[in-house]
Amino acid sequence: EVQLVESGGGLVQPGGSLRLSCAASGFTFSSNWMSWVRQAPGKGLEWVAGIKPDGSEKYYVDSVKGRFTISRDNAKSSLYLQMNSLRAEDTAVYYCAKDGSWSSDHWGQGTLITVSS
Amino acid sequence: QSALTQPPSASGSPGQSVTISCTGTSSDVGGYNHVSWYQQHPGKAPKLMIYEVTERPSGVPDRFSGSKSGNTASLTVSGLQAEDEADYYCSSFAGSKHWVFGGGTKLTVL
Repeated sequence: EVQLVESGGGLVQPGGSLRLSCAASGFTFSSNWMSWVRQAPGKGLEWVAGIKPDGSEKYYVDSVKGRFTISRDNAKSSLYLQMNSLRAEDTAVYYCAKDGSWSSDHWGQGTLITVSS
Repeated sequence: QSALTQPPSASGSPGQSVTISCTGTSSDVGGYNHVSWYQQHPGKAPKLMIYEVTERPSGVPDRFSGSKSGNTASLTVSGLQAEDEADYYCSSFAGSKHWVFGGGTKLTVL
């Protein structure tokens, strides 16, 4: 069974940093694209970043370019999102998602990031 | 990278069919057959319901079907059941390894 478990969320001040982690199991992590998708309170889904299976290619939505970095450790079956220069508008539940067949076929339960002073 | 356009709400009675639209552009929905649909119940993670416009993952009832014409994709739920009440989001590949979601549609089963 595929399992994705996010951690690292919490309250952070504007301008601060936070690192999210996603522990994956139940599939061959090193063979799959992975993504981070966020959902602001009461709002819709927004794709944030994606990373190739070997980590050689990374892609970001324009609003987080230069501030967020997606990475992975295939030996640990883990996905990460380093978030710097956080803004109030980054407040959201962040989901880790396994990609397959041009879609996100499995999602974690999400972790809440609140950016506020 | 503008969001895809979905109606904010849709509704139907048990047993009826309802169709939710998702309109994009030739740079996303119209340009690729990589449209997917997600169901999200309150407080839960999204669940993949349709991928590649028309394909259903194993375990998804065949009451759910997808289609696409031009820049608009659609999700049809036939034989509505109470448990289908949820938010539904479309998503499309938008080129350059980027993805875009719709704003979501709240489906109410009357």
